[in-house]
Amino acid sequence: NAGVTQTPKFQVLKTGQSMTLQCAQDMNHEYMSWYRQDPGMGLRLIHYSVGAGITDQGEVPNGYNVSRSTTEDFPLRLLSAAPSQTSVYFCASSSIYNTGVSSPLHFGNGTRLTVT
Amino acid sequence: SQQGEEDPQALSIQEGENATMNCSYKTSINNLQWYRQNSGRGLVHLILIRSNEREKHSGRLRVTLDTSKKSSSLLITASRAADTASYFCATDATDQGAQKLVFGQGTRLTINP
Repeated sequence: NAGVTQTPKFQVLKTGQSMTLQCAQDMNHEYMSWYRQDPGMGLRLIHYSVGAGITDQGEVPNGYNVSRSTTEDFPLRLLSAAPSQTSVYFCASSSIYNTGVSSPLHFGNGTRLTVT
Repeated sequence: SQQGEEDPQALSIQEGENATMNCSYKTSINNLQWYRQNSGRGLVHLILIRSNEREKHSGRLRVTLDTSKKSSSLLITASRAADTASYFCATDATDQGAQKLVFGQGTRLTINP
């Protein structure tokens, strides 16, 4: 029972490089999201999706792109990495039971990204 | 902006004692959730309490919600070493739509054997 799988676990980038953080879930969840976690800041929502073909911005979307071509996958792209994007990134998914009512999130184990 | 704020930021107690963590938030909510995060791992959902509920139990966990004070508390009874982790509250504001959870900064709980 894999749940939410994130790859890679660790990544080091140089400023200006691009990369994609992968996220896959096998629970047939409609909702998927990306958060970043920084010391003293808690988790902040970057982008989210309520189904294939639908994405929307969260609190801190600048510098990140997402797409949702399938229910299972929700990759996060950094087009030109900056040191300010050094963080731990978490993907999460959930089944939306009722419109307007949140349900528990299932998290991956994170990707630790360092930008030098 | 942060919706929830946990208090205290860090808590250290002896095994067997009870641990209480508090969460305050700013706007009207649909529900409030508590999560646990072990070091180097993702968050794990503990309990969800809806805005029309006042108290909820799950095993050794007890959560209360006071919407008039915009606050919630998480009580862990008879703590164990395995409870050592960070605990986060998360809220979804009624004016933000479903699933745009906003997390607090967390309480780091250490259980000493």
